[in-house]
Amino acid sequence: SQQGEEDPQALSIQEGENATMNCSYKTSINNLQWYRQNSGRGLVHLILIRSNEREKHSGRLRVTLDTSKKSSSLLITASRAADTASYFCATDAGGGSYIPTFGRGTSLIVHP
Amino acid sequence: KAGVTQTPRYLIKTRGQQVTLSCSPISGHRSVSWYQQTPGQGLQFLFEYFSETQRNKGNFPGRFSGRQFSNSRSEMNVSTLELGDSALYLCASSYQETQYFGPGTRLLVL
Repeated sequence: SQQGEEDPQALSIQEGENATMNCSYKTSINNLQWYRQNSGRGLVHLILIRSNEREKHSGRLRVTLDTSKKSSSLLITASRAADTASYFCATDAGGGSYIPTFGRGTSLIVHP
Repeated sequence: KAGVTQTPRYLIKTRGQQVTLSCSPISGHRSVSWYQQTPGQGLQFLFEYFSETQRNKGNFPGRFSGRQFSNSRSEMNVSTLELGDSALYLCASSYQETQYFGPGTRLLVL
């Protein structure tokens, strides 16, 4: 079963606009990660945010984490056509070896 | 460093056959995990190997098995294939908390 659930399931925007996608999860976590998957390919790690962090930046990406609401958001600023992909959040509940639980993903389409 | 490699990239099998997929992790990574990705179920964890031992296992039937060799390369095997096994199979090697994924093997069962 999925721990994280992304919202919306699909997002369509124009190049240059910002894209925001959200992730909600059910149980306490050690950290939360976001991954990107281009059509039919492997996932690429984007960013990790730990449970004691509230916000993190990486280039055009900004991730926030609200552990009280059990939710996270990924903001992509000034989006480009190359950002077209599916985005997944993955949560780790800890307890030793790291096995992330993935959501179903948000499909982002950026129109040139 | 070279990334995670998976072979073969595409595979077509018929029901009842078996299949073996291979994964070579990033050099120095000792943990290898396998996932099944389908449109209906999303990304589901199969198992994880660390130093040749299965350390974690997902909720899949015994037809799905795996192993890891001393060089950290891993294989997964699916016996008695069913139509529902058609999926993208992803392998990931881990360093600390981050997983690095291979391009996947797309399996089609006819």
